[in-house]
Amino acid sequence: EAGVAQSPRYKIIEKRQSVAFWCNPISGHATLYWYQQILGQGPKLLIQFQNNGVVDDSQLPKDRFSAERLKGVDSTLKIQPAKLEDSAVYLCASSLDIGAVAGANVLTFGAGSRLTVL
Amino acid sequence: SQQGEEDPQALSIQEGENATMNCSYKTSINNLQWYRQNSGRGLVHLILIRSNEREKHSGRLRVTLDTSKKSSSLLITASRAADTASYFCATDPFTDKLIFGTGTRLQVFP
Repeated sequence: EAGVAQSPRYKIIEKRQSVAFWCNPISGHATLYWYQQILGQGPKLLIQFQNNGVVDDSQLPKDRFSAERLKGVDSTLKIQPAKLEDSAVYLCASSLDIGAVAGANVLTFGAGSRLTVL
Repeated sequence: SQQGEEDPQALSIQEGENATMNCSYKTSINNLQWYRQNSGRGLVHLILIRSNEREKHSGRLRVTLDTSKKSSSLLITASRAADTASYFCATDPFTDKLIFGTGTRLQVFP
């Protein structure tokens, strides 16, 4: 089974520029997540999709971050304009379905996209 | 916000020794999971324990859960150099979202 694909793996931009990250989840996984992981910290959930609908985006800084999952498959996370504090690894993860395994959502993660904002 | 706090933040041991890391959390949970992250990589699911379970084993991994103390522990027995990684607990507080802790960095020396 193919894993969660993410691109690009690395991106360096100047502050105030824009950047986009792409994620293709495991085939058949209805739920897709974007996490932000700052160096030395645990992943923080930014947004959760169920198919092409947003389940939770309460921690997404909507003034600069946006995400979409138009056809319920792959997803794009955009940052515009970027700030220095956005430097982090952006992790995409997917799971079969919320509650698919007797109420347990086990996540499969991609390798992540490392963003450096100068 | 981070629900879980792992302890210790960092742990160094020799190959063959056991490694124990702890996780404390704040709210009631549906289940608790442990993930491993190798340097520069994504997280990999290790084991899941439900709120009505007290202990679970998987290979060299043993997880315990004490819901009265809101804490969990992960024991890796007979550690290997390949176990060197960061380990995170993640809780599901009945919201279908996983909230990750701060992580324990484990270094296993050959």
